[in-house]
Amino acid sequence: ETGVTQSPTHLIKTRGQQVTLRCSSQSGHNTVSWYQQALGQGPQFIFQYYREEENGRGNFPPRFSGLQFPNYSSELNVNALELDDSALYLCASSTRQGEATEAFFGQGTRLTVV
Amino acid sequence: AQSVAQPEDQVNVAEGNPLTVKCTYSVSGNPYLFWYVQYPNRGLQFLLKYITGDNLVKGSYGFEAEFNKSQTSFHLKKPSALVSDSALYFCAVRDIRNTPLVFGKGTRLSVIA
Repeated sequence: ETGVTQSPTHLIKTRGQQVTLRCSSQSGHNTVSWYQQALGQGPQFIFQYYREEENGRGNFPPRFSGLQFPNYSSELNVNALELDDSALYLCASSTRQGEATEAFFGQGTRLTVV
Repeated sequence: AQSVAQPEDQVNVAEGNPLTVKCTYSVSGNPYLFWYVQYPNRGLQFLLKYITGDNLVKGSYGFEAEFNKSQTSFHLKKPSALVSDSALYFCAVRDIRNTPLVFGKGTRLSVIA
């Protein structure tokens, strides 16, 4: 098991609602990335935070937003939920001591939008 | 833009036989390559990575991968498959500019006793 924890593990929301997902990074890691994994697909990069600032974003609309806190934990917020937002959301943490470092993933949050 | 292709959605192998899960990549510069495994209802677990040096890299649980620059491939291998290896395997690439990891669609490995 990695030291990355995500909460909640499962969530059901109604279309149009807002949701906040949380991630606690592994000790010593200052970079957090969020991925969306739709059923039968590989993870798709949403955005990355390094020392509390967003420093990379994938092809996701602005209603996907995030935060990173001084302790390097992170939140993913999604507004105006759509049915297609149903997916497994993965958080990954890493040290930014070089691009060669691997990312360690949490167990994910399964979001279902009905 | 970076991309990863995993040409097989499913690989079936008998327990004790060698296994190969294929991956090809496209990246503008030198690649950093990774393999991850995902068990049902779980996150991704890191298996191994290629950064530089020997083309054959060894990782967790007896897995290894061979980097081939001319064929832009990074196939995952194991000499003797176990039933417990049955899972979803993802290949991922990042270039040296610290761009985000780009994943393939995944290959489901089924090891049959």
